Order: sequence, then C-alpha cells, then structure tokens
Amino acid sequence: EVQLVESGGGLVQPGGSLRLSCAASGFTFSSYEMNWVRQAPGKGLEWVSYISSSGSTIYYADSVKGRFTISRDNAKNSLYLQMNSLRAEDTAVYYCARAGHYFDYWGQGTLVTVSS
Amino acid sequence: DIQMTQSPSSVSASVGDRVTITCRASQGISSWLAWYQQKPGKAPKLLIYAAFSLQSGVPSRFSGSGSGTDFTLTISSLQPEDFATYYCQQANSFPWTFGQGTKVEIK
Repeated sequence: EVQLVESGGGLVQPGGSLRLSCAASGFTFSSYEMNWVRQAPGKGLEWVSYISSSGSTIYYADSVKGRFTISRDNAKNSLYLQMNSLRAEDTAVYYCARAGHYFDYWGQGTLVTVSS
Repeated sequence: DIQMTQSPSSVSASVGDRVTITCRASQGISSWLAWYQQKPGKAPKLLIYAAFSLQSGVPSRFSGSGSGTDFTLTISSLQPEDFATYYCQQANSFPWTFGQGTKVEIK
C-alpha cells in the first residue's frame, strides 16, 4: 500500500524557517517524481514544487521561488521542503504528492502556520 | 501561466441527480487535465486523468470529457458520498495550476 506521511509543520514567526519531510513507503520511491502542494485555510489547491525521480530537475511556483528548496533522499525514501523567509501567506496545509503529471497519491498533510 | 476557471463555484443537487462541472483553460492544454475530489479535512483524491481516463477504483458514475480548452466532469447519478469539492488541474506545462474548486452541496 502506497503511503506518504508528512511531518515538520508547526507555528513559525514571519521571516523564520521550517523543514518539512515526507516519508514514502509501498512503492519504489526512487522511480517516481514527487511534488509539494499546499492549501491555505478555506482556499483552493496550489502546486508548490516538483522534483524528478533522480533530483536532477526541479521546478517551483513563482510564489516560493528563491525561498523554498525541494530535495529528496532516495536511499531514505524521503522528500523534503526547506522553507525560508516565511510569510503569513505561506500559512497552509502542505501535502506531498506523487506525480509525473497527475497527483495519484497524497499524504495527509502537515499544517504550517506563519504568525507572530 | 495557464489559468483554470471552473464553473459553477457551487451547485446544490439531490441524490440521484446528474451533475456537470466545467473547467476552462486560458490556453490549449490538449488532454492534459485531471479532476480531483476533496472532502473536508482530507487530502484530494484523483478521479480522472488525461481528461477522460478513470483512475483505478473510482466508480463509473464519474466521467470526464473535453480537450483543448474546455473540459467537463460529469457525475451521472449523485450518491451521498459524492458531496465534496471538485478541482480540475492542468498538467500541460509548469506551473501546474488548479481551478478554484466547485462545491457540490446537498439540496
């Protein structure tokens, strides 16, 4: 059974940093492209970042470019999102999701709250 | 960026009704479109990919159609478990973008 489990969310002050993790199991992690997608409270879905199976190709949404860094460790079956210079508008549930084009598996999400 | 516009934003329907949701892309995306269902407090679930392909395990009452810029999700006979919010997503080019969502509510 495919499982994606996010961790690392919490309350952080504006300008602060946070690192999210996503532990994958039930599939050959190193063969799949992965993503982060977020959802602000009461709002719709926003794609955040993509990383290829090898980690050689990365894309970001303009809203996080230069502040967030996606990475993966295929030996540990793990996906990461380093979030720096956090803003109030980054407050959201962050999901890791498996996708080459379509998000076929999602984690349960981890809540990031940016507030003083 | 490709903008995705869904209509309506919400729809009230009864069990057994046929429900149609439309998604329009700001430029052609061929068939690079998916539909997701999201229930409160839960992660989205993939229903349809490549515009009309049914994801494994999804009931056949869900169907998708369209290509280019105009797409449709149809629920042929609404069931109690179908009351949720539905999103379209274009996978033609980065940044991948979602529609704003359509909430299907109980009439």
